[in-house]
Amino acid sequence: EVVMTQSPATLSVTPGQTVTLSCRASQNVMANLAWYQQKPGQSPRLLIYRASTRATGVPGRFSGSGSGTEFTLTISSLESEDFAVYFCQQYNNWWTFGQGTKVEV
Amino acid sequence: QVQLVESGGGVVQPGKSLRLSCAASGFPFSSFDMHWLRQTPGGGLEWLSRISFDETTTHYSDSVEGRFSISRDNSKNTLALEMTSLRVEDTGIYYCARDVGGETNLWGQGTLVTVSS
Repeated sequence: EVVMTQSPATLSVTPGQTVTLSCRASQNVMANLAWYQQKPGQSPRLLIYRASTRATGVPGRFSGSGSGTEFTLTISSLESEDFAVYFCQQYNNWWTFGQGTKVEV
Repeated sequence: QVQLVESGGGVVQPGKSLRLSCAASGFPFSSFDMHWLRQTPGGGLEWLSRISFDETTTHYSDSVEGRFSISRDNSKNTLALEMTSLRVEDTGIYYCARDVGGETNLWGQGTLVTVSS
């Protein structure tokens, strides 16, 4: 099983800041990585797939990068609606998810 | 409207069975592989099972292999998860999701399963 490790677990930020979330895979997953955003009481929402491609309707302030085992999600000029939990998912070998990073005020 | 709607969750005793359903609408259901996932009370996401678009192949995580069974009815646009020998650790919110090439861009709203005596 591919283990996905996200850091940090929690990120305390203020609106307007730029934040970087990290995701590490225990083995090479190439670019088969997605990022999701989840708000309380909602299902996860796809933000990024193929490591760096924004999903339809996702604002340009979200960007993804990386390949192999190291990945990042960057949120530029954080807005109040961006406070949520973010998960990475690898789909190179079935599906596994990171434990999530909570972005909070 | 493109959506997935899960149903069938509830409270069940350990060792018992439960069947979840997922109704798809607004897209060509028979063209997509489908998955079941769950979210634990601690918030973690766990993939459980996948079925191919044409029902020919299924796969399961080690944690549910032999206890859960995924199926679909493309004529009715429905996906199902038959869960047997339920354990306390199977408690969580169960989601169905559409596979669009590895990632999923469509999740249901989830159905809560609580396994407790």
